Amino acid sequence: NAGVTQTPKFQVLKTGQSMTLQCAQDMNHNSMYWYRQDPGMGLRLIYYSASEGTTDKGEVPNGYNVSRLNKREFSLRLESAAPSQTSVYFCASSQTGWIHFGNGTRLTVT
Amino acid sequence: AQSVTQLDSHVSVSEGTPVLLRCNYSSSYSPSLFWYVQHPNKGLQLLLKYTSAATLVKGINGFEAEFKKSETSFHLTKPSAHMSDAAEYFCVVSPAGGSYIPTFGRGTSLIVHP
Repeated sequence: NAGVTQTPKFQVLKTGQSMTLQCAQDMNHNSMYWYRQDPGMGLRLIYYSASEGTTDKGEVPNGYNVSRLNKREFSLRLESAAPSQTSVYFCASSQTGWIHFGNGTRLTVT
Repeated sequence: AQSVTQLDSHVSVSEGTPVLLRCNYSSSYSPSLFWYVQHPNKGLQLLLKYTSAATLVKGINGFEAEFKKSETSFHLTKPSAHMSDAAEYFCVVSPAGGSYIPTFGRGTSLIVHP
């Protein structure tokens, strides 16, 4: 049982480059989330998807887009990376209040 | 709307002394409450979860938390700190209804002195 799988684990981008963070869960959860973690800020919600085919903005959506490809997969895209997007990104899924996290992606934008 | 306030950004204790990490919450729905721990450069590990059963919840590694509805608090405690407890701790609220969006506190860094 893999739970929530995120790829890649590490990434370095130059300003203006684009990339997609991948997330997949095998627990048949309806809800999926993308968070970013910055020192002293906890985890802040970027986007979430309450069910397949729906996505909504969270607290810090600017500079990001998401796709809920199917029930399993929820990807996060940075179209034009900026240094302010240097962070650790966590994907999560939940059902009836149980939350499962991926291991995180450490992204550095230079 | 929901929110989580972790009352201390840093807590410093000596090894073998009690630990208290404080968390207050607000939620429009009857919430589930969690504590997660994150060791340096690691992912998030679930310590314990409250889901409207017993108000005193026991977790892993000797941690426990008490849900107090009247005080809207969910403080994390441990009778005796160990060096390996040094980490970042997050209190999380997830409502039982609505969109189930988990909301994180800003974290408390636990420092354990020998």
